[in-house]
Amino acid sequence: DGGITQSPKYLFRKEGQNVTLSCEQNLNHDAMYWYRQDPGQGLRLIYYSQIVNDFQKGDIAEGYSVSREKKESFPLTVTSAQKNPTAFYLCASIPTGALSEAFFGQGTRLTVV
Amino acid sequence: GQQVMQIPQYQHVQEGEDFTTYCNSSTTLSNIQWYKQRPGGHPVFLIQLVKSGEVKKQKRLTFQFGEAKKNSSLHITATQTTDVGTYFCAGARSNDYKLSFGAGTTVTVRA
Repeated sequence: DGGITQSPKYLFRKEGQNVTLSCEQNLNHDAMYWYRQDPGQGLRLIYYSQIVNDFQKGDIAEGYSVSREKKESFPLTVTSAQKNPTAFYLCASIPTGALSEAFFGQGTRLTVV
Repeated sequence: GQQVMQIPQYQHVQEGEDFTTYCNSSTTLSNIQWYKQRPGGHPVFLIQLVKSGEVKKQKRLTFQFGEAKKNSSLHITATQTTDVGTYFCAGARSNDYKLSFGAGTTVTVRA
């Protein structure tokens, strides 16, 4: 069963703690993305990676970190430096080659209390 | 940096009516994509436009890419309750995998 998997679906953390969101894909896609979704603001790009061991900051990278050690995995860490971390986080991947359809995971809803 | 703007933010439509949502970029795009997100779901790809002036249709949906490749529109005719959701446009510059999304148009339908 091919696809992109995000876990967990819901995540609760205390303020000041770092938390890592998982994103795994078995589609053999090279490019992977992390977006944050807040009501009325659409999808804002946090980080993206075109190939293994390489990634670029998106529009709202401050307070976040990523790694891309394997093609299948692109975990996102929300650090304590992120001032307003409560949001819906979406991971996506795109096939190799020219930019084409993005496949999204089911998302992780992070609540920081 | 690249910005993709989308209007209107909300669209309340009577069932059977038509509506259009618009997408504008501050930079020339290599392509434009459209996605639909149902309430509680994740974005699902609808279509991609690549050529200047391109028009594509999917049943009641008509997608257009502007001549300057800086704007796009999605027109839905005879709106149905199944059209409820948020429609996003997304674009990237040439040779760049940075895919930027608009804020979306959230559509509600009155039966």
